[in-house]
Amino acid sequence: SQQGEEDPQALSIQEGENATMNCSYKTSINNLQWYRQNSGRGLVHLILIRSNEREKHSGRLRVTLDTSKKSSSLLITASRAADTASYFCATDEGAQKLVFGQGTRLTINP
Amino acid sequence: GAVVSQHPSWVICKSGTSVKIECRSLDFQATTMFWYRQFPKQSLMLMATSNEGSKATYEQGVEKDKFLINHASLTLSTLTVTSAHPEDSSFYICSATKVDRPKNIQYFGAGTRLSVL
Repeated sequence: SQQGEEDPQALSIQEGENATMNCSYKTSINNLQWYRQNSGRGLVHLILIRSNEREKHSGRLRVTLDTSKKSSSLLITASRAADTASYFCATDEGAQKLVFGQGTRLTINP
Repeated sequence: GAVVSQHPSWVICKSGTSVKIECRSLDFQATTMFWYRQFPKQSLMLMATSNEGSKATYEQGVEKDKFLINHASLTLSTLTVTSAHPEDSSFYICSATKVDRPKNIQYFGAGTRLSVL
């Protein structure tokens, strides 16, 4: 079942701008991950944030987690054309499985 | 690194034939492998979870006799779509988790696009 709901479904911005996408989930989680998928390709793991963490950074990525609101956000700063992709959040509910959100299709315009 | 190779990347077959897709972890041992199906512009739908040497665990609604999964070693899992029909046309993606931690990060293959005529 798909737990994560992502917002917006699609986002188009100019190169150099920041891109923010949000993910909401419904049940308790151990951690939340963000993945990126280029068109017609597999997914690439970007970052993992544990349920006891509130914010995490990795390069131009910043992830926040609010377990009281059951939501997370992914911020990509100083976007580049190469950031054009679909971004998925995934929650770990245990039992090894990940539940993926619906994804945000990000387009960076040069 | 953690490289997962999926082969073939694209396959066209006739209705009624079977297609085998391979998923290999090239530089690590995979405790668990996962098979997903993805429709255009949609999210990933987990089909089954596969552990080496044991039967795969299928998600509700996925026909195990239709989608045969074999996980013969810590580096190889295969998905066979039996008696394929046009409605089986889709993008199939495998992933794997590593023996060492962190256990729940998944490393994905590049996917296989299946077209059934």
